[in-house]
Amino acid sequence: EIVLTQSPATLSLSPGERATLSCRASQSVSTYLAWYQQKPGQAPRLLIYDASNRATGIPARFSGSGSGTDFALTISSLEPEDFAVYYCQQRSNWPWTFGQGTEVEVK
Amino acid sequence: QVQLQESGPGLVKPSETLSLTCTVSGGSISTYYWSWIRQPPGKGLEWIGYIYYSGSPTYIPSLKSRVTISVDTSRNHLSLRLTSVTAADTAVYYCARPMASGDYTAWSQWGQGILVTVSS
Repeated sequence: EIVLTQSPATLSLSPGERATLSCRASQSVSTYLAWYQQKPGQAPRLLIYDASNRATGIPARFSGSGSGTDFALTISSLEPEDFAVYYCQQRSNWPWTFGQGTEVEVK
Repeated sequence: QVQLQESGPGLVKPSETLSLTCTVSGGSISTYYWSWIRQPPGKGLEWIGYIYYSGSPTYIPSLKSRVTISVDTSRNHLSLRLTSVTAADTAVYYCARPMASGDYTAWSQWGQGILVTVSS
């Protein structure tokens, strides 16, 4: 099973700042990596698929990069609604797995 | 716009069977892949399994002996059955569908989730 390790566990930032979240895979997942945003009491929302493709309706301030074992999600300028938990997820090998999440909190 | 809605009992006794339904509205269940994902309270996400509307399901190894996922095209719904439940199966259960038919790349459509508690 591929293990995804996200860092940091918590990111404390202010609105308008840039956020960079990391996801490292225990073995190569090529570019078969997605990023989700989850707010309390809500289902996860797909942001990025296949490492760098924004899902429909996702603002351009969200971008994904990486391949192999190292990936990043960047939020160029945090909006108030971006404070949430973010998960990476791989679909390279079954079982598909998620990282443990990074919480982006208001500083 | 397709909508997914999970339904079923919110409380299940230990050793009994958890049965959930995901009703699909605003679109057909056909030609798509479908999944169940769960999230224990305060914890991360776990992909339980997926199925193509006309194919055989694929399950995570840790649940393979207890789980059944099926599609009913006549009712346009997806089902999950988990036998011999324990407190460790307490979670919010989500059904999900990818963006494009015949593809399992981008899982963009999710139900709101249903909390199932295993307790006597």
